[in-house]
Amino acid sequence: EADIYQTPRYLVIGTGKKITLECSQTMGHDKMYWYQQDPGMELHLIHYSYGVNSTEKGDLSSESTVSRIRTEHFPLTLESARPSHTSQYLCASSESVGADTQYFGPGTRLTVL
Amino acid sequence: GEDVEQSLFLSVREGDSSVINCTYTDSSSTYLYWYKQEPGAGLQLLTYIFSNMDMKQDQRLTVLLNKKDKHLSLRIADTQTGDSAIYFCAESANYGQNFVFGPGTRLSVLP
Repeated sequence: EADIYQTPRYLVIGTGKKITLECSQTMGHDKMYWYQQDPGMELHLIHYSYGVNSTEKGDLSSESTVSRIRTEHFPLTLESARPSHTSQYLCASSESVGADTQYFGPGTRLTVL
Repeated sequence: GEDVEQSLFLSVREGDSSVINCTYTDSSSTYLYWYKQEPGAGLQLLTYIFSNMDMKQDQRLTVLLNKKDKHLSLRIADTQTGDSAIYFCAESANYGQNFVFGPGTRLSVLP
């Protein structure tokens, strides 16, 4: 069982608001990831981190930003939410060695009105 | 870039076997994975196989890897209604530097 948590699970918010989606893992994994997924559709990597103070943009351009100040914490921030940001956001983490298996959190479903 | 392909839909009758197929392009893949996603949830790792293996079995799940054809399959024996979900194939290469997901196969189990 993977110990990776995301809050909130569901968020409905108005256009223009600043939001932060939280992701925490207790497995000591160096690598962490954020994916954006429309319901039933493909996963798109938007950010990743290979360790503290390391962040990179993923394959899909995103207006969000991330930070990695602590190993266990990888928050994602939208400075000004728009309806086009409505989606599910999945956080994952993996070890630096071995099978590189990514373990996923339960996701945050964001709706921007 | 590297690519992972899957058929998007599969329907089977309860009790039958399901076979979900996946093809990938990265010849340097080290690990290949199957994940399951139920509605509104995150992805759950089902199993993974190292690229030097041909087969891996875990209870009702059998993974077959044909490295020459870059083809991976997941067989679910005695498919149940609880197996209805989206199944994602994924591969990693370069010691995790490249991790690519397929588009997912939506499995529907009919009573």
